[in-house]
Amino acid sequence: QVQLQESGPGLVKPSQTLSLICTVSGGSLISSSYYWSWIRQPAGKGREWIGRIFGNGKTNYNPSLESRVTISVDTSKNQFSLMLSSVTAADTAVYYCTRDWAVSSPYYSYYATDVWGQGTTVTVSS
Amino acid sequence: EIVLTQSPGTLSLSPGERATLSCRASQSVNSDYLVWYQQKPGQAPRLLIYGASSRATGIPDRFSASGSGTDFTLTISRLEPEDFAVYYCQHHGSSPPLTFGGGTKVEIK
Repeated sequence: QVQLQESGPGLVKPSQTLSLICTVSGGSLISSSYYWSWIRQPAGKGREWIGRIFGNGKTNYNPSLESRVTISVDTSKNQFSLMLSSVTAADTAVYYCTRDWAVSSPYYSYYATDVWGQGTTVTVSS
Repeated sequence: EIVLTQSPGTLSLSPGERATLSCRASQSVNSDYLVWYQQKPGQAPRLLIYGASSRATGIPDRFSASGSGTDFTLTISRLEPEDFAVYYCQHHGSSPPLTFGGGTKVEIK
């Protein structure tokens, strides 16, 4: 059973870069069936999708964050990572990594998230 | 960006009752991309429904969902004690950004 675990600093100073790693266990990151995403949720607010990376290295980002976000993969370590630059207090949130899948045919194209990490809290403060 | 509005915010029901949850999109969406999750306190979300109406593996048939265009519904036919949780809808798919509804809490009356 695939499990995801987020790791990284819990406290980041304003204007610095937030860096998180998601370690995948129980399965391979290299798969044409799955792709890998980051989501965050500030306290008391809704979830916000940050972006995702496909097995071929292609990425999609939320336009609201695109100028500051980089998602990458380290297949040798079975990890993928998130970097968010120039952070402010508004970036304080619980950050989750997820595994997503897509299945398609000529008649449908389904997407969903089937595995979530437990989340890691990141606070932006001096 | 597609905004998803879930209602009601909280649903107070008794075990055995029927629960009907709504997810309304700000514009018409591809039903293939509408997903429902269940989340209990301290746990990761659990995939319930994908493609607006297809149950994920292992999901009991008391959970059903339907909808198209801008209006989607998740129904729990007879609430079991383990069904009291928060339910989220999500617009997934190929074109970012993916978005989430704010959730409906189903609580014991």
